[in-house]
Order: sequence, then C-alpha cells, then structure tokens
Amino acid sequence: QKEVEQDPGPLSVPEGAIVSLNCTYSNSAFQYFMWYRQYSRKGPELLMYTYSSGNKEDGRFTAQVDKSSKYISLFIRDSQPSDSATYLCAAISGGYNKLIFGAGTRLAVHP
Amino acid sequence: ETGVTQSPTHLIKTRGQQVTLRCSSQSGHNTVSWYQQALGQGPQFIFQYYREEENGRGNFPPRFSGLQFPNYSSELNVNALELDDSALYLCASSTPGQGTHEQYFGPGTRLTVT
Repeated sequence: QKEVEQDPGPLSVPEGAIVSLNCTYSNSAFQYFMWYRQYSRKGPELLMYTYSSGNKEDGRFTAQVDKSSKYISLFIRDSQPSDSATYLCAAISGGYNKLIFGAGTRLAVHP
Repeated sequence: ETGVTQSPTHLIKTRGQQVTLRCSSQSGHNTVSWYQQALGQGPQFIFQYYREEENGRGNFPPRFSGLQFPNYSSELNVNALELDDSALYLCASSTPGQGTHEQYFGPGTRLTVT
C-alpha cells in the first residue's frame, strides 16, 4: 500500500465549476500536507500547505485535512482553463526531509 | 529572488553510460533535495543535501550519488544507466528556517535512456 494514494483521473469540468481533488494517506506520523500544481513538462509549483488538521484558504483555493480519516482535499472555486494541470498532494513527517507524493490527478477545465 | 534552476533541460543517454545533472538552489536556501518522477507518477525522493552532507536517502541504489557545493548548488550523478532511469529529475530547495516541508522545485531535467 502506498503511503499517499491519489486518483489519477483525468477529471474534466466546465469553466466556473467547483473542483474537489482528494488524497488519502496511511502514515499517522505525517504532520504537513502540501498541494502542488504541475503544468505539462514543468516542475511542481507549491500551491499551499496545511499543518495537521484544519482548513486553509488562499484565493480560489481551499486545502482541508482530516487526520481522523486520513483524508486530504483541495477545492478550487470558479475554476478557469488556466487551472488545467496535474495536481499533486504530498505529505511529510515533522523533522523528516522527504516529501511523499501521490500519483497526481490530471484536471482539465474546458471553456 | 532567483528561483531554482536546473541544467540541462533534457538529454539522451545510452544504457550503461553515466550522467551528471545540476541544480542551483533558490536564493537564501541551503538545502537541496532530488526527486525522480516517472511518467504518470508522483516524484520519488532520491536524497537530500544540507551543508554539503547527505541528509537522508530514499530507496535508490548507490549508483545514484550527489554532491553539494559551498554555494549550495548541487549535482546528481547516475552511473551505469538503465532504461528504467528514464524520467524527469527534479531538484527542490528549502531552508530549515522555513521548514523542510516548504520545498520549491526547479523545472526538471528530462533524461531519456536508450
């Protein structure tokens, strides 16, 4: 079993839709949870991170972590064609140095 | 503020050859981590360098080695290349002051082994 599981999609939505991207994890020691956006043939770009459980909002993006169910979510409001990319969730234990990534979900937002 | 840069952008090597990939960390960052991303997969941690010393290693064989220089730039060396080494190699920089969870990635080097 992989430590971080993510549905690879692809996910196709119309412009303006609310997008929900999800991951599950198995390691209870994870403390930080990250979301990266990766455009085709580019490096991952850090969107936001959350420490432990709770919500974090940044513009149209909201990250949510539920440690009781080991569930990580990213919500995108008013999705735009420019949001079309692969979204990677990642987790890391405090004091450790390696990010553990999910496989990534491909998102396509069509006009 | 200068971001993470990597060179070359892409290269093609033959099985059995050796390759060196280079990374310059983001301004102010003294820690460099290397990841391998196979097609359709998430990045996998290879190793991390801090203060010119290896500071953690993932599940990769010894033919994957690295260096960090006093200016915090880094190299990834892969010996005896195998076909399965074909991937996007990413380097990420961070600083302990911000926490190693905040890792910022470069554009990657795409390696093709034939």
